[in-house]
Amino acid sequence: EADIYQTPRYLVIGTGKKITLECSQTMGHDKMYWYQQDPGMELHLIHYSYGVNSTEKGDLSSESTVSRIRTEHFPLTLESARPSHTSQYLCASSEGTGTSTDTQYFGPGTRLTVL
Amino acid sequence: GQSLEQPSEVTAVEGAIVQINCTYQTSGFYGLSWYQQHDGGAPTFLSYNGLDGLEETGRFSSFLSRSDSYGYLLLQELQMKDSASYFCAATWAGSYQLTFGKGTKLSVIP
Repeated sequence: EADIYQTPRYLVIGTGKKITLECSQTMGHDKMYWYQQDPGMELHLIHYSYGVNSTEKGDLSSESTVSRIRTEHFPLTLESARPSHTSQYLCASSEGTGTSTDTQYFGPGTRLTVL
Repeated sequence: GQSLEQPSEVTAVEGAIVQINCTYQTSGFYGLSWYQQHDGGAPTFLSYNGLDGLEETGRFSSFLSRSDSYGYLLLQELQMKDSASYFCAATWAGSYQLTFGKGTKLSVIP
């Protein structure tokens, strides 16, 4: 059973606000990921981390930033939210077995609306 | 670039069998995964193919043919709860990242 948590589940904020989306996993997984997904659309990788103090940008350009100070925690921050940031943000983690066959476990997501 | 193609929508009758196809670009391809996502929910892992052939997990099976750059997910004895979006996702040599297809929305009707 995968244990990966995201808070908040829903967030409605005004333009220009700074926000941090939280993601935590209790499985000790080295690899963590952030995806952005609009309703009915595909998942786009925006950030990933292969371990503590390791972060990289994904395929989709994003104005967000991430940090990985602890293995279990991978927060995503938007310094100044805009309506174009309205979307669902999904966090995932994987064990990292030394091959490319990692199963990714997803959190429940944060649905962000920027007014 | 790395991309996958799958149908956008499929409709099938309860109790029937449905096949969802996925084609991919071959350059650096390593393996193909399938994820299920119900409306408002998170994706959950269904199956992985690293080698050619069929992988069976209960009512769900997945198939890969590297020579055809093609895979599919087969759902048998369809149930109403199988109505969801199904994503194929590829991994590429030297990377742990997944590239997702656009998803296939499956509607199961009585």
